[in-house]
Amino acid sequence: DTGVSQDPRHKITKRGQNVTFRCDPISEHNRLYWYRQTLGQGPEFLTYFQNEAQLEKSRLLSDRFSAERPKGSFSTLEIQRTEQGDSAMYLCASSSHDHRGRRSPLHFGNGTRLTVT
Amino acid sequence: EDQVTQSPEALRLQEGESSSLNCSYTVSGLRGLFWYRQDPGKGPEFLFTLYSAGEEKEKERLKATLTKKESFLHITAPKPEDSATYLCAVQAGYSSASKIIFGSGTRLSIRP
Repeated sequence: DTGVSQDPRHKITKRGQNVTFRCDPISEHNRLYWYRQTLGQGPEFLTYFQNEAQLEKSRLLSDRFSAERPKGSFSTLEIQRTEQGDSAMYLCASSSHDHRGRRSPLHFGNGTRLTVT
Repeated sequence: EDQVTQSPEALRLQEGESSSLNCSYTVSGLRGLFWYRQDPGKGPEFLFTLYSAGEEKEKERLKATLTKKESFLHITAPKPEDSATYLCAVQAGYSSASKIIFGSGTRLSIRP
């Protein structure tokens, strides 16, 4: 299967601890996105990379959150000093180039479910 | 501000009972409208992309349509395995960095 892969699937941590999630996108995709989803809501945009460049960050992304995509391949999302409000599903998605100005769809992984106790 | 609203929030149908889900949007410069299916505990699965008003796409029992203000996902003679949350998303603006915005979804339940 060459879909988007996320690790770990589940993470339980205590408040105040740091956590790091990893995303491996579809290999030929140059764009990578992080979204957060809480129960009963749609995914909320966090940040976006084109190759290794982080081009956009949501206002939702406080300074406790940092994302990297070294060499334009896999990406990591780190949350420092976790809070109970950070409990959510963190979704990674990737997409290919636009074609003739038309937006390519996102392809999602199955997410990392974070529980902060 | 760009916005996506889906209705109803939840829909329960009998197997074989056709219906439609609605996605209304207010964006500047629509570059694509996307429909996804999401099963519990999994990431959204891509279904369709629509780019311009009047466009339609079909896949098995699902058909997506697009106007200048809304999109519909029609489900014909649904089966229990069609039960899932259906998400609508739009990408607006002319920058390649423009983010894709999701609605809150419609939870569809099909009773056998």
